Amino acid sequence: DSGVTQTPKHLITATGQRVTLRCSPRSGDLSVYWYQQSLDQGLQFLIQYYNGEERAKGNILERFSAQQFPDLHSELNLSSLELGDSALYFCASSVGGFLDSYSYEQYFGPGTRLTVT
Amino acid sequence: AQSVAQPEDQVNVAEGNPLTVKCTYSVSGNPYLFWYVQYPNRGLQFLLKYITGDNLVKGSYGFEAEFNKSQTSFHLKKPSALVSDSALYFCAVRDPLNSGYSTLTFGKGTMLLVSP
Repeated sequence: DSGVTQTPKHLITATGQRVTLRCSPRSGDLSVYWYQQSLDQGLQFLIQYYNGEERAKGNILERFSAQQFPDLHSELNLSSLELGDSALYFCASSVGGFLDSYSYEQYFGPGTRLTVT
Repeated sequence: AQSVAQPEDQVNVAEGNPLTVKCTYSVSGNPYLFWYVQYPNRGLQFLLKYITGDNLVKGSYGFEAEFNKSQTSFHLKKPSALVSDSALYFCAVRDPLNSGYSTLTFGKGTMLLVSP
């Protein structure tokens, strides 16, 4: 158990809908990262938050957004869902998140499997 | 830009034999390198990392990896494979010179199958 929790475990929804995925980082970790894993694209970095502020953006679509709250949990919002958004979404956390944190490993949650029908 | 390549989609090895999972990287500065393992329907688990120092890094579950700067490689190794090592393995790199942020770039993954 990595200490990172994600809810829900599974989510089935229809095209055009909006969903919210939730992540709680390990105790003491300030950074939260979101990743998308699919068979064709592999593991893709989406976005990072550090202590409530956005720090880095990867291959995140404009239909997707995220935020990190004062208690450090994070939510990933996916809207206008398409069939191609079906994937495993992982959250990870690490102690640091900026110039001081290059050596820190990330700890991953169990993921949320999103199925868009 | 940083990148990492795992040239083998799948590696097959018999239990008790040594295993190697290959990884090569490309960064503009000195790399920080990581190996993760993913079991079915689970998140990624951290195995080991190279930051600086000894080129041979030891990690969890008896795994080790050797950093080779001249060949830009960071191959994962284990002297004696177990059936329970069967999983998907990811190599990842972080380039400290890349924009100042701590993003990781992952390889596509290598499926390791250990036969009894």
